Amino acid sequence: ILNVEQSPQSLHVQEGDSTNFTCSFPSSNFYALHWYRWETAKSPEALFVMTLNGDEKKKGRISATLNTKEGYSYLYIKGSQPEDSATYLCAFSNTGNQFYFGTGTSLTVIP
Amino acid sequence: IAGITQAPTSQILAAGRRMTLRCTQDMRHNAMYWYRQDLGLGLRLIHYSNTAGTTGKGEVPDGYSVSRANTDDFPLTLASAVPSQTSVYFCASSLDARYTEAFFGQGTRLTVV
Repeated sequence: ILNVEQSPQSLHVQEGDSTNFTCSFPSSNFYALHWYRWETAKSPEALFVMTLNGDEKKKGRISATLNTKEGYSYLYIKGSQPEDSATYLCAFSNTGNQFYFGTGTSLTVIP
Repeated sequence: IAGITQAPTSQILAAGRRMTLRCTQDMRHNAMYWYRQDLGLGLRLIHYSNTAGTTGKGEVPDGYSVSRANTDDFPLTLASAVPSQTSVYFCASSLDARYTEAFFGQGTRLTVV
């Protein structure tokens, strides 16, 4: 069992604010780091898959960075909108061919 | 519609009964996974399969078994259900086990009484 930690556990921001979350994972035997968005009553949906140290990915207002040497990834949301409200999960993949999920950051964007 | 389907959507089960949760995907993904979601604990891996014919244990395998007779199907069986197995169960699949995103089913809400 590998420890994947996400912070903060929850976050409330005003519409238009920019925000970021952290995912920490073991830095040894790294293969991939995934970010998922999980809306209430739905299934998780993938945002990014990152595999290389220094990777930066962007999709619209959401972007992510990866540091495999120190074992962390940041997810950024620029100009948060109410529709961004969801739980954001990261998942770490290692040589064991398994995905280990963090407990998520719950984001609420207040109109 | 292509994707991954779970059945049933929800179930109330008496303790001690046997139950199989079904999962089928039509994306020809090699890897499949079963997770349980519990409040405050996130998604925890129960069992996984990297390819048809192989399975492996995840973080919380006790009380569960799986099989992978073909690429499409990955059923999860509770041999003798206990109340601590009350949870929401998600099946997921990915093209490979490491580099590609996972696609999730809609979940099965199981209550063991």
